[in-house]
Amino acid sequence: ETGVTQSPTHLIKTRGQQVTLRCSSQSGHNTVSWYQQALGQGPQFIFQYYREEENGRGNFPPRFSGLQFPNYSSELNVNALELDDSALYLCASSLIGQGGNEQFFGPGTRLTVL
Amino acid sequence: SQQGEEDPQALSIQEGENATMNCSYKTSINNLQWYRQNSGRGLVHLILIRSNEREKHSGRLRVTLDTSKKSSSLLITASRAADTASYFCATQTYSGAGSYQLTFGKGTKLSVIP
Repeated sequence: ETGVTQSPTHLIKTRGQQVTLRCSSQSGHNTVSWYQQALGQGPQFIFQYYREEENGRGNFPPRFSGLQFPNYSSELNVNALELDDSALYLCASSLIGQGGNEQFFGPGTRLTVL
Repeated sequence: SQQGEEDPQALSIQEGENATMNCSYKTSINNLQWYRQNSGRGLVHLILIRSNEREKHSGRLRVTLDTSKKSSSLLITASRAADTASYFCATQTYSGAGSYQLTFGKGTKLSVIP
């Protein structure tokens, strides 16, 4: 059983650029969620995907978008990068279930926007 | 937005002592979870307690949940230097379309001095 993996580990972009972050879910999991964690803060929920469709979204603008593929890998895309987008981006996979379940997190991608 | 709020923000104890962290939240929940994060890396799930449970144990961890007071506590007994990390509580609530959203607090930074 493999854990959640993310790529790349670190990334530096300039304001206005676009970025794609990738995540591979834990084997057998059908749901992937993405979080943004600013320095010194707790993770903030961006969105969740189940069966390749977004089925939950936090308070993030439309320039944050995602995809989930049939093999349960996932992408987070951020357009028109802003300085405040600098953060650790975490993906987490889980099995959708009644009452909610624990989530398994990847190591994160550290994005710096200059 | 942050639902949970941990207290204290930082805690420093000697190895072998017990550490207690508290979490308060605002709305009704399906479950409450505790996670650990080492040095800005990925989060590790520690324990999940459902809204109809009052106490749960896992190894040196003891979690309590009081839904009437909307609060939870995490007790780590006989702490070790390796327990040094940030600890986050996260509440999970049903947000529709089969989605359970996880909302984190800002965390408690625990330092265990050898």
